[in-house]
Amino acid sequence: RKEVEQDPGPFNVPEGATVAFNCTYSNSASQSFFWYRQDCRKEPKLLMSVYSSGNEDGRFTAQLNRASQYISLLIRDSKLSDSATYLCVVPGKGGGFKTIFGAGTRLFVKA
Amino acid sequence: DAGITQSPRHKVTETGTPVTLRCHQTENHRYMYWYRQDPGHGLRLIHYSYGVKDTDKGEVSDGYSVSRSKTEDFLLTLESATSSQTSVYFCATAVGTGTNEQFFGPGTRLTVL
Repeated sequence: RKEVEQDPGPFNVPEGATVAFNCTYSNSASQSFFWYRQDCRKEPKLLMSVYSSGNEDGRFTAQLNRASQYISLLIRDSKLSDSATYLCVVPGKGGGFKTIFGAGTRLFVKA
Repeated sequence: DAGITQSPRHKVTETGTPVTLRCHQTENHRYMYWYRQDPGHGLRLIHYSYGVKDTDKGEVSDGYSVSRSKTEDFLLTLESATSSQTSVYFCATAVGTGTNEQFFGPGTRLTVL
């Protein structure tokens, strides 16, 4: 099993739709998880952290399922500006501050 | 956002030449990282540093070396560039305490002919 896997998409959704992405990971000892957003030809930027109890920020909700070893990102009421690639991040094996990025899920929101 | 700059932003070089990319940060973050990003692979860790003169290998370190002589600077060197090293290179930093949230520089687009 890869350390981290994401559905590459693309996900094509209309404005106002709800869309969800999952990211599976293999290191059961992982503690810190994140979702990053990356616009075309730009650097990744932190979207939100993922806590055990879940995390909500406006239209975005991130959740962690330790039993099944996946994290999810839910986007409600999609906007055109949400079009981007979403990267999940999990800690690398061996601890410390090594991190593993998923290959990303592309989202296109259309009018 | 952390003040992270990368230089050069674009570079075209020939196979076999040495190349050094620079990452500079003004936030006094302890951790610094070098990633490469290629289609279909996402971001892959090359090397990282957890303090001055303290570095470790990532998953794709072959053909790359790094140095960190000051907190604010992290250099990535391709000793003898190959076409397979054509990529976009991102530097990132992390505070080093608590969460390991990373902040990224704008990237360097390197083409090896």
